[in-house]
Amino acid sequence: AQSVTQPDIHITVSEGASLELRCNYSYGATPYLFWYVQSPGQGLQLLLKYFSGDTLVQGIKGFEAEFKRSQSSFNLRKPSVHWSDAAEYFCAGNGDNAGNMLTFGGGTRLMVKP
Amino acid sequence: DTGVSQDPRHKITKRGQNVTFRCDPISEHNRLYWYRQTLGQGPEFLTYFQNEAQLEKSRLLSDRFSAERPKGSFSTLEIQRTEQGDSAMYLCASSLPSRNEQFFGPGTRLTVL
Repeated sequence: AQSVTQPDIHITVSEGASLELRCNYSYGATPYLFWYVQSPGQGLQLLLKYFSGDTLVQGIKGFEAEFKRSQSSFNLRKPSVHWSDAAEYFCAGNGDNAGNMLTFGGGTRLMVKP
Repeated sequence: DTGVSQDPRHKITKRGQNVTFRCDPISEHNRLYWYRQTLGQGPEFLTYFQNEAQLEKSRLLSDRFSAERPKGSFSTLEIQRTEQGDSAMYLCASSLPSRNEQFFGPGTRLTVL
């Protein structure tokens, strides 16, 4: 069955420190992968996506993610975290190019210390 | 900028009542999706439409849940005979089929007392 796993439920980093949020996927073929961010009381905002090609993808707000087929991972990174990055982050995938259902991970809540 | 909108943003109801939520997608998007998000979890897919056709509905949680998109524009999600376990955030998203990017609305938070 297709699945997306985020191993870390909570992560706390200091403002200005680097960040890496982990995401692992299980699909029969290379999935389409996404990272979304959700601030309290808000909907989901797309940060970045991977379809094919270059395995390092750039997104909005200074985020990037790297697709590693050998590790079935799609980790999200940011070199320097800002207090406004505190939110819930979701990794998601879908297994074909027909644009139907997304399978989400359980989310990682990021807290930023001043 | 007219993104995906949902109405109402919050709904409080008593157990056993019926509720209906509305979603207005981005105007040129012909795909529309419904998801449910419970506290502390990621969203789970419920159903989706391409234009007015409901192409996947096996993930609707029970026969108390139904969705429509009669003219291929806005959509409604109805829950009949609500139960406390239906309390959740109901999210709507839309996309163009050629883009495979889903844009989400702010959600409707349902509380069943």
